[in-house]
Amino acid sequence: SQQGEEDPQALSIQEGENATMNCSYKTSINNLQWYRQNSGRGLVHLILIRSNEREKHSGRLRVTLDTSKKSSSLLITASRAADTASYFCATVANDYKLSFGAGTTVTVRA
Amino acid sequence: EPEVTQTPSHQVTQMGQEVILRCVPISNHLYFYWYRQILGQKVEFLVSFYNNEISEKSEIFDDQFSVERPDGSNFTLKIRSTKLEDSAMYFCASSSGSRYGYTFGSGTRLTVV
Repeated sequence: SQQGEEDPQALSIQEGENATMNCSYKTSINNLQWYRQNSGRGLVHLILIRSNEREKHSGRLRVTLDTSKKSSSLLITASRAADTASYFCATVANDYKLSFGAGTTVTVRA
Repeated sequence: EPEVTQTPSHQVTQMGQEVILRCVPISNHLYFYWYRQILGQKVEFLVSFYNNEISEKSEIFDDQFSVERPDGSNFTLKIRSTKLEDSAMYFCASSSGSRYGYTFGSGTRLTVV
C-alpha cells in the first residue's frame, strides 16, 4: 500500500511551541501532500512537496522529504490555538490518486 | 479563492434507499475524485474521474456506487441501495493534475438508519 502512516497519533503542546509530526510511506511517490482537518470539517490542502524536493516552507509550516527513508515531516512553528486539528499526509504515486495516512491529532493548549 | 461545493451537507436516509451526493468542482480542474471517511477512521479513496470516465476505482466502489458528470459542472456520486456501513463523510475533490494539490469540498455527512 502507498498509504502514509503518521507518527505520533496524537500530540498536545502549549501555544507558542513547535509541533512536529512524521509520515512514512512504502513505495515510490510522485509527490507528498499534507492536509489539515478541523473536527467534522473538510480537508484543507497545506503544502505539496515533490519527490525531487527535500524541503519546503509555507508561512509557519516546514515540510521535509527523505525519499531514501520514505519519510516526511511537518513542522508547525510558534503554534496557535487555531492550529488544533488533525493533520494528514497523503502520497501520490503514478496512479495519480491520494493515499492518506491515519493522521496526527494536534491539540494546542492556550 | 475557488472552492469545491458539496450538497447536501448532511443527509439521513433509510437503509435500502438511493442517495445522490452532489459536487461542483473547480471549473478549470480536469480531475475529480470521491473519498470517504468513516467516523474516526482514515480518508479512503473511492473513485477518480477524468475525461468523462472513471480512471480508477477502489474495492469499496462496488456495483452499488456510480458517478456522473451530467452537465459539465456537477459531479455526482450515487449509492443505489444504501447500507448501514455506508454511513460516513463523503468528500469530493478536484485538481489540475497529480503535480498539484487537491481542493476538497467540506463534505456530505451521510447517515444511514
